[in-house]
Amino acid sequence: AQSVSQHNHHVILSEAASLELGCNYSYGGTVNLFWYVQYPGQHLQLLLKYFSGDPLVKGIKGFEAEFIKSKFSFNLRKPSVQWSDTAEYFCAVNAGGFKTIFGAGTRLFVKA
Amino acid sequence: DGGITQSPKYLFRKEGQNVTLSCEQNLNHDAMYWYRQDPGQGLRLIYYSQIVNDFQKGDIAEGYSVSREKKESFPLTVTSAQKNPTAFYLCASTPGHEYSNQPQHFGDGTRLSIL
Repeated sequence: AQSVSQHNHHVILSEAASLELGCNYSYGGTVNLFWYVQYPGQHLQLLLKYFSGDPLVKGIKGFEAEFIKSKFSFNLRKPSVQWSDTAEYFCAVNAGGFKTIFGAGTRLFVKA
Repeated sequence: DGGITQSPKYLFRKEGQNVTLSCEQNLNHDAMYWYRQDPGQGLRLIYYSQIVNDFQKGDIAEGYSVSREKKESFPLTVTSAQKNPTAFYLCASTPGHEYSNQPQHFGDGTRLSIL
């Protein structure tokens, strides 16, 4: 069965620190990859997505993610986090059709 | 602004009661979804609907029911058969073409608790 694994459930960083959140999936075929973010009190929203082409994709608010096919990974990065990045981040994979598989989420807390 | 409206925001249910969660969208999207979010488990698909009058079970459909009588509306009923209904429920939609590469639009969610 398809699955999505997010390595860290909780991450605490100080402002200006660099961020990398890991995401691995288990599916060998073509996939569409997403990162969603849920800020406190807000609805889930799309951060960035990868379908094809350049494996390094850029999203909103300075986030980027790199698709490494050989490692089945789609890690999220940001060079310098801000207090406002405090949120829960979800990696998601769709291998075709209606079903999107979500990871368990990573709660990020950024200390001011 | 277009979006998805879920109501109520908080819902309390007594043992043995059925409750219905509302989801309305004005995005003109064909496909709609219901997810359950539990701490540390991410989002799990309950039901989805590709088009009016059609819906399919997801991974955890037992104890839930849905209807899709209108394009804009996709209500979820949590029945008394659902043994552990306390959770955060999210409704989502996609335009309905090339489903696999379309990001989902989410509502604000309904938190259901058992009294």
